[in-house]
Amino acid sequence: SQTIHQWPATLVQPVGSPLSLECTVEGTSNPNLYWYRQAAGRGLQLLFYSVGIGQISSEVPQNLSASRPQDRQFILSSKKLLLSDSGFYLCAWSVGLSNYGYTFGSGTRLTVV
Amino acid sequence: ILNVEQSPQSLHVQEGDSTNFTCSFPSSNFYALHWYRWETAKSPEALFVMTLNGDEKKKGRISATLNTKEGYSYLYIKGSQPEDSATYLCAFGAGNMLTFGGGTRLMVKP
Repeated sequence: SQTIHQWPATLVQPVGSPLSLECTVEGTSNPNLYWYRQAAGRGLQLLFYSVGIGQISSEVPQNLSASRPQDRQFILSSKKLLLSDSGFYLCAWSVGLSNYGYTFGSGTRLTVV
Repeated sequence: ILNVEQSPQSLHVQEGDSTNFTCSFPSSNFYALHWYRWETAKSPEALFVMTLNGDEKKKGRISATLNTKEGYSYLYIKGSQPEDSATYLCAFGAGNMLTFGGGTRLMVKP
């Protein structure tokens, strides 16, 4: 069966420090992969999605970046965190068309101090 | 940018009350409408996916309806229980993308 792993679960980082959040999927090949963020009091905002290795689409301009070095690995990074980067980050995967929905990871609570 | 709206933003009900909330979405280029249940610090859990106008889905005490022509879906919870407390998200599907609404946060008091 397919599983998705996301880590770490919580993170407290100072302003200006780098960030790396990792997401891996098991049990499927060539998944679509997504990074979402929920900022305080707001809904889920799509940050990045990827339909294949090395293919990244950015939905919102920001100081975050994403990479997909392997088929089932999706990494969210920042060189220098801002206070506004605080939030709850979710990784998700899907098999293709949106009829099938997403399966989400367990999320990372990031607090930038 | 697709506009997916949910109302109300939050809802407090007593145990045993029945409740419903709304998701509105674009009525063009429709693929699917999804409902998720999201508890704090956990992954969103898929409840329903609906693709056809007039669809009605049911899982236990929770049901949902879909009107693609006017662009809305209702989620109903019959006889709310404290364990129903969560944020309920709807998501509009177009192509291989989901656009989420802001969610309705439901709190059920014992």
